Amino acid sequence: GEQVEQLPSILRVQEGSSASINCSYEDSASNYFPWYKQEPGENPKLIIDIRSNMERKQIQELIVLLDKKAKRFSLHITDTQPGDSAMYFCAASEGTGANTGKLTFGHGTILRVHP
Amino acid sequence: DTTVKQNPRYKLARVGKPVNLICSQTMNHDTMYWYQKKPNQAPKLLLFYYDKILNREADTFEKFQSSRPNNSFCSLYIGSAGLEYSAMYLCASSDINQDTQYFGPGTRLLVL
Repeated sequence: GEQVEQLPSILRVQEGSSASINCSYEDSASNYFPWYKQEPGENPKLIIDIRSNMERKQIQELIVLLDKKAKRFSLHITDTQPGDSAMYFCAASEGTGANTGKLTFGHGTILRVHP
Repeated sequence: DTTVKQNPRYKLARVGKPVNLICSQTMNHDTMYWYQKKPNQAPKLLLFYYDKILNREADTFEKFQSSRPNNSFCSLYIGSAGLEYSAMYLCASSDINQDTQYFGPGTRLLVL
C-alpha cells in the first residue's frame, strides 16, 4: 500500500516568517494530495489540496507544490501568524471511487508560530 | 453544513469489554471512513463504507466491525477491547464524486 513520509515533526517559526512542510509518497498511482490542519480538541479540517494535473496551487497564504517525478509535495505558509499554530497532516490517495478514495496520512507536523 | 459528529467524545472501557462508537453526517455522503490515530503516529484507515458495502483493511480485518443502518450513521465496534485499542478514532465522510473527506472531532478511547 501507499506510504507517506512527512517532515519535520516539529517546526518552530517566528511570526511573519514562512513555514514549509515536506511530504513524500511511494505509489505513483496517487493523484490527490490534501492537507489537513488540526487544532487541539478540534477535528482535522481540509485547508488546501492539489491534484496530479497541477504543480502549484495557492489559496491566500497557503501554497502547495507537487513534484510527481520525485513523488514529493509540500505545503508553504507565507507570513505565518500565531493562529497558524496547529498540527498539519499531509495525505495521498488515488482519488475518487469506491475502492480508491482512502487516504494515507503522514505522521503530522506540529507548527508553532512564536510572536 | 459540513459537520461530522461523533459520540461519545471520550470513552473509558475495560479490557475484554465491547466498545461501540458512533458517527453521523447530514451531507448525504455515500462514503464513511474510520481512522485510528495513536500519539506520534499517522491516522490509519481501519475501514470504510461505500453505500452499504463495507471495506476493511487487511491488517485490522479481525479487530474491528462496523455497521451502517442508514446513509447518515456509521458505527465502529470492538468486540473485546485490548489495551492496544487505546487511541483516537476519527470518522470521516466524502462523496464518491469528490476527493475531500470531512472529519469529525474524534472519540478518544482509553482501555484499562
